[in-house]
Amino acid sequence: DAKTTQPPSMDCAEGRAANLPCNHSTISGNEYVYWYRQIHSQGPQYIIHGLKNNETNEMASLIITEDIKSSTLILPHATLRDTAVYYCIVRVNSGGGADGLTFGKGTHLIIQP
Amino acid sequence: DAGVIQSPRHEVTEMGQEVTLRCKPISGHNSLFWYRQTMMRGLELLIYFNNNVPIDDSGMPEDRFSAKMPNASFSTLKIQPSEPRDSAVYFCASSLGEMGEQYFGPGTRLTVT
Repeated sequence: DAKTTQPPSMDCAEGRAANLPCNHSTISGNEYVYWYRQIHSQGPQYIIHGLKNNETNEMASLIITEDIKSSTLILPHATLRDTAVYYCIVRVNSGGGADGLTFGKGTHLIIQP
Repeated sequence: DAGVIQSPRHEVTEMGQEVTLRCKPISGHNSLFWYRQTMMRGLELLIYFNNNVPIDDSGMPEDRFSAKMPNASFSTLKIQPSEPRDSAVYFCASSLGEMGEQYFGPGTRLTVT
């Protein structure tokens, strides 16, 4: 799977949009970008995923660049409960069944009141 | 749905003792994953099962670790004998389908003294 690069930490004011970048310059066309987050002392939580197109769900939006080499996770109105470590993960659709996730160090997002 | 259930939530044991961690995946999910999290190494995949069959155990640290999935609703991770360096939070996750999102349990915090 392609390696990802994320900033180690970011701050965002409560109520503002939080934009978390991820670089995955070695990604190939059949690899998905997944985002998970881990709130302190809890298990990781799935947020969203996409292949080439932008995606939106009730939690967030995922913007993938046209060359698919980077993406941005957007939390439109951040709250204090969004303080967590956010992981950007690339997964290949191999057609051979599910496989495990490779977590990097992620971005520690701190929402400031 | 109760989500992924792990037991015990906390385990403190002495070096050399056998430790068994348990996991009940979400009903209907066909893949199960065991991860370990430490400050030094972050989140690591240990082993995963598809349809109760172990697929990749390359993340298991050494022969002291073993995992089983006797049926679709139960899995165990056993450490025998345990060592202080095994102290970590162990997460179990389950998913449905090849690219389905993984749902994580609350984790078991293991301390080996």
